[in-house]
Amino acid sequence: RKEVEQDPGPFNVPEGATVAFNCTYSNSASQSFFWYRQDCRKEPKLLMSVYSSGNEDGRFTAQLNRASQYISLLIRDSKLSDSATYLCVVYTGGGNKLTFGTGTQLKVEL
Amino acid sequence: ETGVTQSPTHLIKTRGQQVTLRCSSQSGHNTVSWYQQALGQGPQFIFQYYREEENGRGNFPPRFSGLQFPNYSSELNVNALELDDSALYLCASSLVGTVSDTQYFGPGTRLTVL
Repeated sequence: RKEVEQDPGPFNVPEGATVAFNCTYSNSASQSFFWYRQDCRKEPKLLMSVYSSGNEDGRFTAQLNRASQYISLLIRDSKLSDSATYLCVVYTGGGNKLTFGTGTQLKVEL
Repeated sequence: ETGVTQSPTHLIKTRGQQVTLRCSSQSGHNTVSWYQQALGQGPQFIFQYYREEENGRGNFPPRFSGLQFPNYSSELNVNALELDDSALYLCASSLVGTVSDTQYFGPGTRLTVL
């Protein structure tokens, strides 16, 4: 089983739609959680950290369920510029490494 | 944008050769992490350097090695290149010594092994 699992997509949605991505992680000792965004042939960029209480940044909402080892990202009112790959990232502490999922591809269309 | 730079941007090598990739961290950052991203996959952690010492390593063989210099820049060396080493190699810098701190990625070096 992969340490971090995501549906690779692609998710094709119309502009203005709400879309949700899910991610599960296998290590219950994981400590910190993030969503990164990666545009085609570019480097990953931090979108937001994910906190146990859930957190929001504009149109983006992240949720964490430690009991189910599940992380989600909700994007409201999708824009064309949201088209990218969204990477779920987990920090476990052992070995000082970040573990990335394979990413979920989002395509927002007119 | 992030202030993290990498060189070269692209590189083509043949199997069995050795390669050195370079990374300059963002000003004020003392930690550099290296990742390998194969096509269609997420980045995989290779190792991290903090104050010139290796500070964590992923599941990569010893032919992947690194250095960090007093100015916090870093090198990734790969010996005896294999076809599967073809990937985008990303470095990321951060301020403190743990991977959980916000990491800022450079644009990457795309390595092709023939």
